[in-house]
Amino acid sequence: SQQGEEDPQALSIQEGENATMNCSYKTSINNLQWYRQNSGRGLVHLILIRSNEREKHSGRLRVTLDTSKKSSSLLITASRAADTASYFCATGLFSGGGADGLTFGKGTHLIIQP
Amino acid sequence: DAGVIQSPRHEVTEMGQEVTLRCKPISGHNSLFWYRQTMMRGLELLIYFNNNVPIDDSGMPEDRFSAKMPNASFSTLKIQPSEPRDSAVYFCASSLQGSTEAFFGQGTRLTVV
Repeated sequence: SQQGEEDPQALSIQEGENATMNCSYKTSINNLQWYRQNSGRGLVHLILIRSNEREKHSGRLRVTLDTSKKSSSLLITASRAADTASYFCATGLFSGGGADGLTFGKGTHLIIQP
Repeated sequence: DAGVIQSPRHEVTEMGQEVTLRCKPISGHNSLFWYRQTMMRGLELLIYFNNNVPIDDSGMPEDRFSAKMPNASFSTLKIQPSEPRDSAVYFCASSLQGSTEAFFGQGTRLTVV
């Protein structure tokens, strides 16, 4: 069964705008990860946030985590056409927080309009 | 590093035929995962191995599916006999055991007609 559920399923914005995607999960986690998938390609790891962290930045990416609400958000600032992709949140099955048995949501399909 | 290598990239087969998907993980990685991706069900974990040993195969949908990892640099996912509902993109991923990041291959797009 899927642990994470992304929202919205699809998002279309203009280049330069910010894109926000949300993820909800069901059980306790050690960490939560975000991955990107370009069309026809495999998933690529973007960023990880640990359960004792509330916010993390990496370049134009900002991730927040609210363990009380079991939710996370991914913000991409100043979007570019190359950001067009599907974005997935992933949580580990085990409290150790390793990649072992990562479960993914169905993803948010982001389209950046030039 | 060439990354995780999967073959073939595309496979079209007739219902009832045996299909074998192949994966070469990143050298040094000792965890390997097989995922299946469809529009309806998203990305599903089928099975994963640590140090060539299957740890959790609860995601394998049916007995028609089997996976092996005879050594640290090679794994196969076999479907016998294949059915049209097996059509999907199958991904292999690897990681260092205990690491939090998984590295994915490009996937094999399987079409069963």
